[in-house]
Amino acid sequence: AQSVTQPDIHITVSEGASLELRCNYSYGATPYLFWYVQSPGQGLQLLLKYFSGDTLVQGIKGFEAEFKRSQSSFNLRKPSVHWSDAAEYFCAVGPYGAAGNKLTFGGGTRVLVKP
Amino acid sequence: EAEVAQSPRYKITEKSQAVAFWCDPISGHATLYWYRQILGQGPELLVQFQDESVVDDSQLPKDRFSAERLKGVDSTLKIQPAELGDSAMYLCASSHIDRQETQYFGPGTRLLVL
Repeated sequence: AQSVTQPDIHITVSEGASLELRCNYSYGATPYLFWYVQSPGQGLQLLLKYFSGDTLVQGIKGFEAEFKRSQSSFNLRKPSVHWSDAAEYFCAVGPYGAAGNKLTFGGGTRVLVKP
Repeated sequence: EAEVAQSPRYKITEKSQAVAFWCDPISGHATLYWYRQILGQGPELLVQFQDESVVDDSQLPKDRFSAERLKGVDSTLKIQPAELGDSAMYLCASSHIDRQETQYFGPGTRLLVL
């Protein structure tokens, strides 16, 4: 069965500092990998996705993520955070090439940004 | 930019009452998903439709939950009777038939059962 672990429940970062959110997955085949962001009381917005090819993927809002197959990781990074980046971030995995992709989400990491 | 629409945004009900949530996917998206997100957790899939057919409802508590997508466009998720443990955010998502790996989410319905 596929699973996603986000080890950090909360992260506090100062505005302007760098941010890295960890994601580890367990999946028996090549996965699709996603990062979503959720602002309080809102739905999920897709930040970026990885299917194949270059293991460093760029997303919206200045975020990037790196797929490391050997470590089963897909960590999210941003060089300089803005106060508006305060939100909850979810990593998700889905089956590669399958129709009707069922996503499995991690438990999320809540990011707080200090002024 | 097209979006997934959901209503209501918030719903407060008493236990044993019936509640219903509505979702209108992005136009042209054949696949529709309902997720439940308990506070502090990631979303979990309840049911998935391909057009009007159910593809996966293995995690749907069928004794009290039902979902339909009669014309293959918008969808309704119903809970009857509601229980305290149903308090959660209910998210709808949709994806295009040619890019089903990418799901787009609506704003969700926050349900509080008293």
